[in-house]
Amino acid sequence: RKEVEQDPGPFNVPEGATVAFNCTYSNSASQSFFWYRQDCRKEPKLLMSVYSSGNEDGRFTAQLNRASQYISLLIRDSKLSDSATYLCVVTPNDYKLSFGAGTTVTVRA
Amino acid sequence: DTAVSQTPKYLVTQMGNDKSIKCEQNLGHDTMYWYKQDSKKFLKIMFSYNNKELIINETVPNRFSPKSPDKAHLNLHINSLELGDSAVYFCASSHGLLAYEQYFGPGTRLTVT
Repeated sequence: RKEVEQDPGPFNVPEGATVAFNCTYSNSASQSFFWYRQDCRKEPKLLMSVYSSGNEDGRFTAQLNRASQYISLLIRDSKLSDSATYLCVVTPNDYKLSFGAGTTVTVRA
Repeated sequence: DTAVSQTPKYLVTQMGNDKSIKCEQNLGHDTMYWYKQDSKKFLKIMFSYNNKELIINETVPNRFSPKSPDKAHLNLHINSLELGDSAVYFCASSHGLLAYEQYFGPGTRLTVT
């Protein structure tokens, strides 16, 4: 079983729509959780950390469900510039990040 | 003022050759990493160094040898290249030993023919 699993998508949404997707992780001892964003043929960049109580950063909301071992990301009022692959990232130990294969979001005009 | 830089950006070579990829960061971070992203888009950690000391060495063939001359540089040398080595290799760095926020270089697209 992979450490981090994501629905690859793609999620095709119109501008202004809300899109949400999850990822699941296998290691219950994982402590830290993140969403990274990767544009086509570019490097991954940190989008936001995910806290136990859930957190927002502008139009982005992240949630963590430790009991069910999943993390979610919701994007409100989608912009064309939100088109990217969103990577779910988990720390199975203190020294490394485990990445999911990503969920592709395409926002259309 | 690029934070994490890699050279070369593209590398096309034949099976059996030996090649190196260089990485430099000017963020003052003391931990650096090498990742491999294959065609299925999984980003997998290969190595990490903290202050020139090897911290993570995942199951990677011996043909791959990282070298960290100082904490701002982490190079990757690959011997006897194979077709399966074709991938994008990303260097990254972070502040401190805990891997919370990592800054990635632009990647090196390696194609082995």
